[in-house]
Amino acid sequence: QLQLQESGPGLVWASETLSLTCTVSGVSLTDRPYYWAWIRQPPGKGLEWIGNMFYSESPYYNPSLISRVAISADTSRNQFSLSLSSVTAADTAVYYCARTSGEMGTVRDAFDLWGHGTSVTVSS
Amino acid sequence: QSVLTQPPSVSGTPGQRVTISCSGSRSNLGIKYIDWYQRLPGTAPKLLIYKNNQRPSGVPDRFSGSKSGTSASLAISGLRSDDEAEYFCAAWDDSLSGQVFGTGTKVTVL
Repeated sequence: QLQLQESGPGLVWASETLSLTCTVSGVSLTDRPYYWAWIRQPPGKGLEWIGNMFYSESPYYNPSLISRVAISADTSRNQFSLSLSSVTAADTAVYYCARTSGEMGTVRDAFDLWGHGTSVTVSS
Repeated sequence: QSVLTQPPSVSGTPGQRVTISCSGSRSNLGIKYIDWYQRLPGTAPKLLIYKNNQRPSGVPDRFSGSKSGTSASLAISGLRSDDEAEYFCAAWDDSLSGQVFGTGTKVTVL
C-alpha cells in the first residue's frame, strides 16, 4: 500500500536538533522520477516548504532554513529523514513528508502523496 | 514567509460557485505552473489541481483551475458542505529555487 508515515519526538527543547523520519511504503525511495520532501505548517499559519531530495542528488533547501536543515535518505530502510538544528519556538509546527508526482520528472512537480503529519513542539 | 497571496477566507451557500485567487510574481506564477491543495480539518493536504488546470484522478470536475500572468484562481462549483477546508496554492519559484505556498484560504459553506 502506497503510504508515507512520519515519526519522531513530539517535543524538542529549544536550541536542540529536531529529527524526524519518514517511512515510505509501496514505492522505493530510489524509484525515478519521484522526489521526496518535508513541508511544515506552524499553528495558525500557512504551509512552508522545507526541502526536496532525490537519494542520489544534492537536496534542495528553503533558503530561509538552509543553514540549519539537512535531508538525507536511508535506502536500505526506505526512509528519509529531516534534521533541523538550533530550533526555536518558531519551529513548532506539524511536519509532513511528501512525494512529488513525477508528472514532469523534476523537483518542481506537485506533491501527490503526503503523510498524515506529526506535531512537533519546541519548548524552552 | 508566504510568497503567494490568497484571501484569508471565502464563503458561499450550497450549490454556489466560489473562486479563490492566488497572486504571485514573475519568478513563480509568471513562468511556472501552479498547483492547488485542499486540507480538510485534521487531515493532510491533498493535491487538487496540478499544472494550472489538471485534476488528479478522483478529483471531481467541480474543481477547476486557471492561470493568467502572475495570478491564478481555483473555482469550486456546486459548493458542498464537505468542501469546507483550507485551500493552498503553490508553485516553484526560480529566484528562491524552491517551492512556495500561498497564505491559505478557508472556505466556509454557509
